[in-house]
Amino acid sequence: EEQLVESGGRLVQPGGSLRLSCTASGFTFSFYWMSWVRQAPGKGLEWVANVKEDGSHKDYLDSVKGRFTISRDNAKNSVFLQMNDVRGDDTAIYYCVRGGTRGDHWGQGTLVTVSS
Amino acid sequence: IVMTQSPATLSVSPGERVTLSCRASQSVSSKLAWYQQKPGQAPRLLIKDASTRATGIPARFSGSESGTDFTLTISSLQSDDFAVYYCQQYNNWPPSFGQGTKVEIK
Repeated sequence: EEQLVESGGRLVQPGGSLRLSCTASGFTFSFYWMSWVRQAPGKGLEWVANVKEDGSHKDYLDSVKGRFTISRDNAKNSVFLQMNDVRGDDTAIYYCVRGGTRGDHWGQGTLVTVSS
Repeated sequence: IVMTQSPATLSVSPGERVTLSCRASQSVSSKLAWYQQKPGQAPRLLIKDASTRATGIPARFSGSESGTDFTLTISSLQSDDFAVYYCQQYNNWPPSFGQGTKVEIK
């Protein structure tokens, strides 16, 4: 069974940092682009970042450029999102998604709350 | 690219035919997906490339396109289909979603 399991979400103060992790199983992780997509509470969906199969290419939503960094470790079937200088509007459920621009498979998400 | 869905909410009875609309602000070259999201769950891919059902999706779900207008049709609504439906373009970066259509029980 294909699975994506996120972790790392928590309450963080504005200006703080945290790192989200996603571990994949049930498919050949290194064959796929991976992404992070977020959903603010009660709101719609927003594509945050993606990373190519070998990690050689990454794209970011303009509002997170320079603050967030996506990376992956194919040996550990994992993708990460380093979030620095977080703001209130970063509060959301962050989903790990298989695919670079289309969400073929989604994890259950991890909640990030930015508040003092 | 701005994706606009209509209506925001649709009240329907089980067994009815349902049509959801999505319009793109510019051409997306058939790079259009539909997702279903139930409360407390992640979205699930239903349709890709405007009209191709994803793996395991029942045949009652179908997608079509006419220029920059896209439609998701559920031929006979089942109780399991009450949810929020999102369209998404993936032709341009960043991929962008519509605001969603909630299908609720009438």
